[in-house]
Amino acid sequence: DTEVTQTPKHLVMGMTNKKSLKCEQHMGHRAMYWYKQKAKKPPELMFVYSYEKLSINESVPSRFSPECPNSSLLNLHLHALQPEDSALYLCASSQERTEPTDTQYFGPGTRLTVL
Amino acid sequence: QKEVEQNSGPLSVPEGAIASLNCTYSDRGSQSFFWYRQYSGKSPELIMSIYSNGDKEDGRFTAQLNKASQYVSLLIRDSQPSDSATYLCAVNLDNAGKSTFGDGTTLTVKP
Repeated sequence: DTEVTQTPKHLVMGMTNKKSLKCEQHMGHRAMYWYKQKAKKPPELMFVYSYEKLSINESVPSRFSPECPNSSLLNLHLHALQPEDSALYLCASSQERTEPTDTQYFGPGTRLTVL
Repeated sequence: QKEVEQNSGPLSVPEGAIASLNCTYSDRGSQSFFWYRQYSGKSPELIMSIYSNGDKEDGRFTAQLNKASQYVSLLIRDSQPSDSATYLCAVNLDNAGKSTFGDGTTLTVKP
């Protein structure tokens, strides 16, 4: 089973709202990722968690706050977003990020619209 | 120079033809190479991974890797309209912990 689930599928929020995106995997993977993807662009890495610890933050603005409560769950907390943050937010997981053959599997994504 | 470059699209082929998608990368330390397919509005789906020089076949898909030329390609035989999608090439550095993606090539297979 290579399934990564994400909720919600769609989210519309105002610039003053606080919301959270959720990602879950039950493949025993120890690395989890958040990506942002704008239309007709490749996925852009935001954060990487390895063994529940934040290992990479690609200089993401603080209005995005990741959280990894346990090895199966990954959240992305959103606050005071801007319209330009509207995008498809993708979660991915992999077995172990230090292996060069490590393969990432993507969830279906959350389509976020900021009004 | 971009770290991962893909042949500019869009690419259009007739049904039943071979589609050839190309990708070059700049870092000679790159270890692993992946092809993802992404339908419009959907998330990337892994098609193939390749780590060693040569060809790797899976059904109608063949990935080819040439580390000396820093080149990886994906061939799709007997292309079907359902193959119409954007194909993303991704490259992992040794222990880098992240994949670098190309901009993608959009393929259209015409019936």
